[in-house]
Amino acid sequence: AQSVSQHNHHVILSEAASLELGCNYSYGGTVNLFWYVQYPGQHLQLLLKYFSGDPLVKGIKGFEAEFIKSKFSFNLRKPSVQWSDTAEYFCAVRAGGFKTIFGAGTRLFVKA
Amino acid sequence: EAQVTQNPRYLITVTGKKLTVTCSQNMNHEYMSWYRQDPGLGLRQIYYSMNVEVTDKGDVPEGYKVSRKEKRNFPLILESPSPNQTSLYFCASSSLGANQPQHFGDGTRLSIL
Repeated sequence: AQSVSQHNHHVILSEAASLELGCNYSYGGTVNLFWYVQYPGQHLQLLLKYFSGDPLVKGIKGFEAEFIKSKFSFNLRKPSVQWSDTAEYFCAVRAGGFKTIFGAGTRLFVKA
Repeated sequence: EAQVTQNPRYLITVTGKKLTVTCSQNMNHEYMSWYRQDPGLGLRQIYYSMNVEVTDKGDVPEGYKVSRKEKRNFPLILESPSPNQTSLYFCASSSLGANQPQHFGDGTRLSIL
């Protein structure tokens, strides 16, 4: 069965620190990968996606993610976080159909 | 404005009393889906639909029903709600295509007593 694993459930950083959130998935075929962000009290919004081409994808608000096929990973990065990045981040996979599997989420708190 | 609209936003009800959460999108999307969000579990897919009259089970369909009689609407029905269905529910829609991102509604917080 497909699964998505996000390694860190809670991350606390100071402003200007670098961020990397891990995401690993289990599926052997072609995948479509997404990172969504949920700000406090709001619905999920798309940060970035990968489905083919350059494995380094850039999203909104300075976020980027790298797809490493051999590691089944799609880690999210940002060189310098801001207080406004405090949110919950979800990795999601769509593979071989229209089911979508989400990771459990990572809560990021950025200290001002 | 492109949006997914869910109603109600909040509902407190009792075990066994049938309820319906409505979802409507104005983007002419073929694909619609329901998720529940629980702490530590992320979002889990309940049901999805690829078009009118085409629905399929997600990972946690037990205790839920859906229908897709019109393209824009995808209501979630709890025929006999139980306390373990207390959760935050999100409706989402997208164009057809596995690489299409989903647009989410604002969520419905259900409490079943």
